[in-house]
Amino acid sequence: DAKTTQPPSMDCAEGRAANLPCNHSTISGNEYVYWYRQIHSQGPQYIIHGLKNNETNEMASLIITEDRKSSTLILPHATLRDTAVYYCIVRANDMRFGAGTRLTVKP
Amino acid sequence: GAGVSQSPSNKVTEKGKDVELRCDPISGHTALYWYRQRLGQGLEFLIYFQGNSAPDKSGLPSDRFSAERTGESVSTLTIQRTQQEDSAVYLCASSLVSGLRENGYTFGSGTRLTVV
Repeated sequence: DAKTTQPPSMDCAEGRAANLPCNHSTISGNEYVYWYRQIHSQGPQYIIHGLKNNETNEMASLIITEDRKSSTLILPHATLRDTAVYYCIVRANDMRFGAGTRLTVKP
Repeated sequence: GAGVSQSPSNKVTEKGKDVELRCDPISGHTALYWYRQRLGQGLEFLIYFQGNSAPDKSGLPSDRFSAERTGESVSTLTIQRTQQEDSAVYLCASSLVSGLRENGYTFGSGTRLTVV
């Protein structure tokens, strides 16, 4: 039970913003939202995390709705190397991954 | 070390044999996870260690699987009497959990286990 819902796949044009949604309607007040990605044949890579404020780092931005029931990961200028499976995780004491969203960036 | 180190990177074993997989977390990281990823599938949680607390073993698929960790150091995942369905990449991740500030987890490159 991963506690999150993501679309199974998305496409994005190279150079465009990729907006990956995640629903986490049962999130508790002290649970953070984490995003990871896994590029083929590699271990998952941490992207960003947040509690209730929007966050930005060198990789991406994270927008969390005011009620915290959903969030969006934004890759502002997607490149071909951003093609990966993106996982949204609500952190409790363990970190259980769902199926994620397979993002394909196309030239 | 600079990252999470797993060994061996590849392991081929005969059905019925026992295997031991090793994870060296980042120094000082109190939390450590093991996951299994079968070909083409998502990450399957196996076990979670947090400091000196009792580990969360709820993800272990059978009693053939066990894991140990001494303090905040190395962890070993042992699979006894391996079966072909155990073939997968076994991933380890560690994190520094400090108070209310949550930090991201760093994953190792995994051990690819093939049971023949």
